Amino acid sequence: DAGITQSPRHKVTETGTPVTLRCHQTENHRYMYWYRQDPGHGLRLIHYSYGVKDTDKGEVSDGYSVSRSKTEDFLLTLESATSSQTSVYFCAISDTGILAKNIQYFGAGTRLSVL
Amino acid sequence: QQPVQSPQAVILREGEDAVINCSSSKALYSVHWYRQKHGEAPVFLMILLKGGEQKGHEKISASFNEKKQQSSLYLTASQLSYSGTYFCGTVNSGGSNYKLTFGKGTLLTVNP
Repeated sequence: DAGITQSPRHKVTETGTPVTLRCHQTENHRYMYWYRQDPGHGLRLIHYSYGVKDTDKGEVSDGYSVSRSKTEDFLLTLESATSSQTSVYFCAISDTGILAKNIQYFGAGTRLSVL
Repeated sequence: QQPVQSPQAVILREGEDAVINCSSSKALYSVHWYRQKHGEAPVFLMILLKGGEQKGHEKISASFNEKKQQSSLYLTASQLSYSGTYFCGTVNSGGSNYKLTFGKGTLLTVNP
């Protein structure tokens, strides 16, 4: 299994509080991604990174920010959590941007509840 | 643009076959298939490339029809372990090199 650790695995928070989720990898892969998964929507890309300090938005980026100061860590921050951000968040990594080989490996997920 | 998967759900008895389809409104370069078991992370199954051949993974195989902009996943002689949600992820021709757009998934249940 790819060495991907997400923390925390579960979190309950209140509306309006800031939340940071962490993704840590030991594979030295260049690309890292944050997805959210909600019933009926599948996996939707929030933000992704193609190198240290290089990030870009995905399809559902509003209300989220990311940072990547080291190859191994990719942080997802909810500046002011809302109930609509209750979801399961998955981090993924891949070792190349070449179309043919962009196999993504997923972490175990973080279940976030915003009350 | 999110690919469309069909059916949304399918129930099989062990040993039966199933086909899951993934269609896009845009020209595709590649299609990726993942399986997710309940409460677990998605796991990569296979990639199909434009101009490539049908891929296989044990009794699971897939095809890619470039003209129709769709891919089909074939599960033959299904086993209980095949149960889960199957997602296709697509890369559009001319699109970003490293972004996948996933469909909403197909829930496959295999009963004894």
